Amino acid sequence: QQQVKQSPQSLIVQKGGISIINCAYENTAFDYFPWYQQFPGKGPALLIAIRPDVSEKKEGRFTISFNKSAKQFSLHIMDSQPGDSATYFCDRGYQKVTFGIGTKLQVIP
Amino acid sequence: EPEVTQTPSHQVTQMGQEVILRCVPISNHLYFYWYRQILGQKVEFLVSFYNNEISEKSEIFDDQFSVERPDGSNFTLKIRSTKLEDSAMYFCASSEDRTEAFFGQGTRLTVV
Repeated sequence: QQQVKQSPQSLIVQKGGISIINCAYENTAFDYFPWYQQFPGKGPALLIAIRPDVSEKKEGRFTISFNKSAKQFSLHIMDSQPGDSATYFCDRGYQKVTFGIGTKLQVIP
Repeated sequence: EPEVTQTPSHQVTQMGQEVILRCVPISNHLYFYWYRQILGQKVEFLVSFYNNEISEKSEIFDDQFSVERPDGSNFTLKIRSTKLEDSAMYFCASSEDRTEAFFGQGTRLTVV
């Protein structure tokens, strides 16, 4: 099972700010990287995903940036809102979803 | 939009009783999963199911657990003799091709 390493474990951002969560992976054998979002008491939900042949993917306020040479990808949440407060997980496709601790994001007013 | 549905949303059971948690995956998906999340802890993988058989299971998934796809739409998790430590949120997930998974809203199991 190929792992990804996610950082930071927790993040506090002011409302309107940019939240940035980073993930690193080991090799490019599996070329698909989804992000999941989980609110307390709810199931994880697919948020956004990217293939490495694309350097960036944007959906609303959420953007994934991919750096293939550095084997890293990151999630940017623009104009962060209190409703974005959740735990975020990055993962690799083509295998079962494996949840680490994730990044607990708190957006404060 | 297609979604994974789980029933019941909350189940309370006495220790030692059998429980069955039910899931309806997205209809064209081929891969099915069960996860659990004990309060305050991370989501843990239990089992994956493909082509009508278990493809992978974790150490948590011992003989007390079983899964079944009794018909073309349902996917169930049975716990034969529940223990207090089985109290958790149980999530079902499905995937078309394993690129990404879609999760249900979970069943909160409380063992008393």
